[in-house]
Amino acid sequence: GAGVSQTPSNKVTEKGKYVELRCDPISGHTALYWYRQSLGQGPEFLIYFQGTGAADDSGLPNDRFFAVRPEGSVSTLKIQRTERGDSAVYLCASGRAQLVESTDTQYFGPGTRLTVL
Amino acid sequence: AQSVTQLDSHVSVSEGTPVLLRCNYSSSYSPSLFWYVQHPNKGLQLLLKYTSAATLVKGINGFEAEFKKSETSFHLTKPSAHMSDAAEYFCVVSDQGGKLIFGQGTELSVKP
Repeated sequence: GAGVSQTPSNKVTEKGKYVELRCDPISGHTALYWYRQSLGQGPEFLIYFQGTGAADDSGLPNDRFFAVRPEGSVSTLKIQRTERGDSAVYLCASGRAQLVESTDTQYFGPGTRLTVL
Repeated sequence: AQSVTQLDSHVSVSEGTPVLLRCNYSSSYSPSLFWYVQHPNKGLQLLLKYTSAATLVKGINGFEAEFKKSETSFHLTKPSAHMSDAAEYFCVVSDQGGKLIFGQGTELSVKP
């Protein structure tokens, strides 16, 4: 079956611009996660959705970042007034868990590489 | 708080020789632990996971890992490396809320 997809695969923008990154999870997965991977680092958690609601947004670095999942499927990560330090690969993952579940397997998409000039 | 430490940033082996990628964890409760692999320009793929069942966990592509509570370790091994194993490997712990906490990664190189 289809895996997690993310669009665009690459995004180049200028400092100060607004960007949107999209994630299509595996069909039927209720849990959706966003991570950010900077060059040479492991991914870092940003936000977690259970259904339509953000269950944990403690990883969002500041109020320029927010994410939505209005119908409990597709999610969009939105970054306002982009800065050069936002350059990274943004990863999305989905999982089956109906409830908070530390053992749930997360399936990752290929990521969106964001470059802020 | 949960954390993982990958003890080697880079490991180089010859094809056909054993692989050992080391990981230590810190957790205030019984952890769920994972190893993920990331090939260049590809998404993260789950190799295996430990969830408090058998301490020796077998994964895909001949990899396995052993959970050792006394040593707080979860090292990844493979008896015989293949060229296609060259990639970045991440040791990961899950917190009780389900979010994953990644190590810094170990780059595995395989020489012919």
